Amino acid sequence: ETGVTQTPRHLVMGMTNKKSLKCEQHLGHNAMYWYKQSAKKPLELMFVYSLEERVENNSVPSRFSPECPNSSHLFLHLHTLQPEDSALYLCASSQVGGHGYTFGSGTRLTVV
Amino acid sequence: AQSVTQLGSHVSVSEGALVLLRCNYSSSVPPYLFWYVQYPNQGLQLLLKYTTGATLVKGINGFEAEFKKSETSFHLTKPSAHMSDAAEYFCAVSQETSGSRLTFGEGTQLTVNP
Repeated sequence: ETGVTQTPRHLVMGMTNKKSLKCEQHLGHNAMYWYKQSAKKPLELMFVYSLEERVENNSVPSRFSPECPNSSHLFLHLHTLQPEDSALYLCASSQVGGHGYTFGSGTRLTVV
Repeated sequence: AQSVTQLGSHVSVSEGALVLLRCNYSSSVPPYLFWYVQYPNQGLQLLLKYTTGATLVKGINGFEAEFKKSETSFHLTKPSAHMSDAAEYFCAVSQETSGSRLTFGEGTQLTVNP
């Protein structure tokens, strides 16, 4: 399997649930990113991991918790979300010093 | 610092007409420039990129873009629009001093009318 794979593709969760989004890259990249894409809003960079260390956290609420156990895997743990957190969550990877990102297909999250 | 401005959040063309999506950038050092396309409920897919060398860059699906340093622009064009080109298009910039970090524009939604 190649590229960046995100699972699940769709997720519906209640506000009291705990769930996790998974991202896996098979490109040998050493940086990974979580983006949030809401309707009619620009892409929002949430977290950046470079060489498995979190290097950026753009004022994301603590109900979102990222985890990067190794350079190939990235998780986004979700708990007690709000309806406004419903969005498309995109994972991307890149090579530090390289050119461009490779994106996964995203997880469409609906919070009810 | 780097930034990207995409002129026009929505562009509508007729099938067979020229597609022109505008992108201007700001960068303190020579930029690397990218165009991505996003179809509904999908991730972003790289259309083309400029790093060094030839300023006219050809990408997938018949798209091309020209890096114009004097105008700080990287507009995306396609001679003849197809219905399947309807999607959202994102311009992005990075620079060597920021590693691989991309800064994205706000996107342009392209509609193709029959």
